[in-house]
Amino acid sequence: EVNLVESGGGLIQPGGSLRLSCVASSFTFRDYEMTWVRQAPGKGLEWLSYIGGSGGPMYYADSLQGRFTISRDNAKNSLFLQMNGLRAEDTAVYYCARRARCVSGTCYSHFDLWGQGTLVTVSS
Amino acid sequence: QTVVTQEPSFSVSPGGTVTLTCGLSSGSVSPSYFPSWYQQAPGQTPRTLIFSTNTRSSGVPDRFSGSILGNKAALTITGAQADDESDYHCMLYMGRGIWVFGGGTKLTVL
Repeated sequence: EVNLVESGGGLIQPGGSLRLSCVASSFTFRDYEMTWVRQAPGKGLEWLSYIGGSGGPMYYADSLQGRFTISRDNAKNSLFLQMNGLRAEDTAVYYCARRARCVSGTCYSHFDLWGQGTLVTVSS
Repeated sequence: QTVVTQEPSFSVSPGGTVTLTCGLSSGSVSPSYFPSWYQQAPGQTPRTLIFSTNTRSSGVPDRFSGSILGNKAALTITGAQADDESDYHCMLYMGRGIWVFGGGTKLTVL
């Protein structure tokens, strides 16, 4: 089954660091661009970061102020999000999502596969 | 900073039609923003409904349709059903690997 599974969430104190992982199954991971999206409790979705299929380029939402770093290991079908300097407002469910591929010369800019999410709680 | 606007909430009667919109704080939404729509039932993961303005994702019923209405993207649900009660999120592509979501619309079917 085509799937994305996130892990690495948990309770972390303000100022701490956390590394989220997302493992892909049943598709050629390196062929897809990947993103991270989060959802704070009771709030909407917020796009965070993008990475190209080969590991670059990387782009980030301005709101992250350089605290988060996206990376991937195609040999392990894995996507990562290193989060530093965590704040209470970073408390959210974090999703990895796959950008749809170009097909027959037509390229798309939506997310066609989502993981189930991992909860990050930043609190003392 | 780009802000994508959505109605915070909307209600529709069973069997009725509702149109949710997705706008920009400044400027107009056009197909070049590749508007997409995601449905999120309570406690669930987002599900892709519509992409590239008006293309339904696989398995999405044809009572869901996307369009550009005036200067906004729009999601229309025709013949609303009880299980359409969800949050609906609009997303726009800004180019260069940057996306922005709207705040989401909570749809009530009653």
